[in-house]
Amino acid sequence: DGGITQSPKYLFRKEGQNVTLSCEQNLNHDAMYWYRQDPGQGLRLIYYSQIVNDFQKGDIAEGYSVSREKKESFPLTVTSAQKNPTAFYLCASRGGRLAEQFFGPGTRLTVL
Amino acid sequence: AQTVTQSQPEMSVQEAETVTLSCTYDTSESDYYLFWYKQPPSRQMILVIRQEAYKQQNATENRFSVNFQKAAKSFSLKISDSQLGDAAMYFCAYVYSNYQLIWGAGTKLIIKP
Repeated sequence: DGGITQSPKYLFRKEGQNVTLSCEQNLNHDAMYWYRQDPGQGLRLIYYSQIVNDFQKGDIAEGYSVSREKKESFPLTVTSAQKNPTAFYLCASRGGRLAEQFFGPGTRLTVL
Repeated sequence: AQTVTQSQPEMSVQEAETVTLSCTYDTSESDYYLFWYKQPPSRQMILVIRQEAYKQQNATENRFSVNFQKAAKSFSLKISDSQLGDAAMYFCAYVYSNYQLIWGAGTKLIIKP
């Protein structure tokens, strides 16, 4: 089955720790995206990547970092510099000239 | 700047009835796409329907249809024969040539049995 997987589903972090959220896709999509969603709100773009080994900051990149070493994978690291990291994180991908993005199931990050 | 506005934070409808969710957007582009996404309690974001701006015909997907008014920059979603499984947050989104999605704040849809 083609799709996007995110792991873990739930993640707990102590203050001051870095954590990495996984996003993998087997749709052969070139573009991948990371969004943050806070309760009762829409999605805000953190980082995106159009091709391997290239990525750009979105609207709220501060305190986050990404890598894109493989087409299938786009991990997001939430660093200790992120002041309020507790949120729901969604990964998405887009293929070719399609305009729509397809989403993974998300990771709920809680800072203890 | 491109913006998307959903003016209804919450809507409710009786099961089997029809409901319309509103969305307006602001853009100077002529070629773009519009989407409605659904986010049920599982929080998985699911594409409901897409509309290409150059197409005059309104998109339909089973019980879901849109009313696309390009001149008015309006893109409403109509859900016919509402079902309990339709209960979710619905997000309107816009994208143009850079493929960056611009999101509305969402409308919470409640289905009354």
